[in-house]
Amino acid sequence: AQSVAQPEDQVNVAEGNPLTVKCTYSVSGNPYLFWYVQYPNRGLQFLLKYITGDNLVKGSYGFEAEFNKSQTSFHLKKPSALVSDSALYFCAVRARGFKTIFGAGTRLFVKA
Amino acid sequence: NAGVTQTPKFQVLKTGQSMTLQCAQDMNHNSMYWYRQDPGMGLRLIYYSASEGTTDKGEVPNGYNVSRLNKREFSLRLESAAPSQTSVYFCASSEAVAEIYEQYFGPGTRLTVT
Repeated sequence: AQSVAQPEDQVNVAEGNPLTVKCTYSVSGNPYLFWYVQYPNRGLQFLLKYITGDNLVKGSYGFEAEFNKSQTSFHLKKPSALVSDSALYFCAVRARGFKTIFGAGTRLFVKA
Repeated sequence: NAGVTQTPKFQVLKTGQSMTLQCAQDMNHNSMYWYRQDPGMGLRLIYYSASEGTTDKGEVPNGYNVSRLNKREFSLRLESAAPSQTSVYFCASSEAVAEIYEQYFGPGTRLTVT
């Protein structure tokens, strides 16, 4: 069965520090992995995706994610957090023939 | 370019009432989706439309119906609302239903059923 897990409900980080939001997945076949961000009272916005190729994917707003096939992980990272990065982050996975499965979300709180 | 728009933004229904949530996209996307978002559960797919003229069930279709009116519009209907349908509903679109395409989301409709 296809699934995605975000093990942390909330991540707290100080402004200027690096941040990591974790995601692990389980699929049959090659995974297609996505990160989305949701600001309060807004819909989800696409950040980045891994389809194939380079394991390090760069996306919007300075975010990047590293695909690790052996650990079945796709962690979201940013070298220097901003207060404006505070939001709800969703990891999502698709595999051929299946619909998109979203994780439960991780709330990121960046303190000034 | 408005992207994906949804109406209404908020709605309160009594149990048994019906309503239709409207969604439109102006990105010339082929595929459209309806999700519900509940606390701690991420997003769950209700129905999707791979292309104009087709619709398919998602994970949680019971109690809902959809219509793909044309390429731009995809509506979600609750025929007899129940408290369990209290949720935030998001419409989304993508270039196609293939796995490589990201989705673009509307601002959501917050529905309360009393």
